[in-house]
Amino acid sequence: NAGVTQTPKFRILKIGQSMTLQCTQDMNHNYMYWYRQDPGMGLKLIYYSVGAGITDKGEVPNGYNVSRSTTEDFPLRLELAAPSQTSVYFCASSLTGTARREKLFFGSGTQLSVL
Amino acid sequence: EDQVTQSPEALRLQEGESSSLNCSYTVSGLRGLFWYRQDPGKGPEFLFTLYSAGEEKEKERLKATLTKKESFLHITAPKPEDSATYLCAVGTPGTYKYIFGTGTRLKVLA
Repeated sequence: NAGVTQTPKFRILKIGQSMTLQCTQDMNHNYMYWYRQDPGMGLKLIYYSVGAGITDKGEVPNGYNVSRSTTEDFPLRLELAAPSQTSVYFCASSLTGTARREKLFFGSGTQLSVL
Repeated sequence: EDQVTQSPEALRLQEGESSSLNCSYTVSGLRGLFWYRQDPGKGPEFLFTLYSAGEEKEKERLKATLTKKESFLHITAPKPEDSATYLCAVGTPGTYKYIFGTGTRLKVLA
C-alpha cells in the first residue's frame, strides 16, 4: 500500500494563478481531509469529505474548492492564488468516523509559495 | 470555543533525561484525544488515541495519559531519534473533525 499520496511536493505560484493539489489514497478510506500548516500554528482544516460526492467546509475554506468523485481521490483547487495561501498542505484519510477505530493517515505534504 | 493548547512550545533534553509534554483542551465533549509525531518535511504519524479519563497507552519510550481536562505524553529515557514535533488533537462530538494543537518541538541531545 502506498497510503496517502500527494502531488506535487513543491510549487511556486504567482498571485492570481490557479492550481490543483492532488491527493489519492489506496486504503479504501471513506473520510478524507485537507489541512494547511503554517509555521508555529496548528493544522487548520480546509475541507473534508465523508464519502464520494459529499464534501463540507472546515475552519478556513475561503479561496479553496474541493470535489470527491471517487473514494480514492480528493483534489484541492486554489483559484486566484494569494500570498496568504503560502503554506504546507496536508491531505489525510481515515477509515471511519467512529472514534474508537479512527486515526488519520497523512500524506507527505505540498509546500506552496505564492509570490 | 473548542480549543487545544500544548506546552511547552519547545523542549530540549539530554539523552536519558525523562520529561512530559502537556495537552490541555476545552471542548463540549470529547470524541477521542489523539497524539501524532511529525518529523521535519513529513506528514504527522499516528501514535495514540485515548477515549476516557484514566486511560493510558504505551509504545516504547512513550506513554500517554488522559484526564478530564488534559493529556500528558511522558517520554522516558529519550534518545536522539525521539526528536520531532509532537501534535495533540481532539475529536469533537457530532462531527468528523479534529482540532489540533500547535505542537511541542522536542530536541534530544546525545
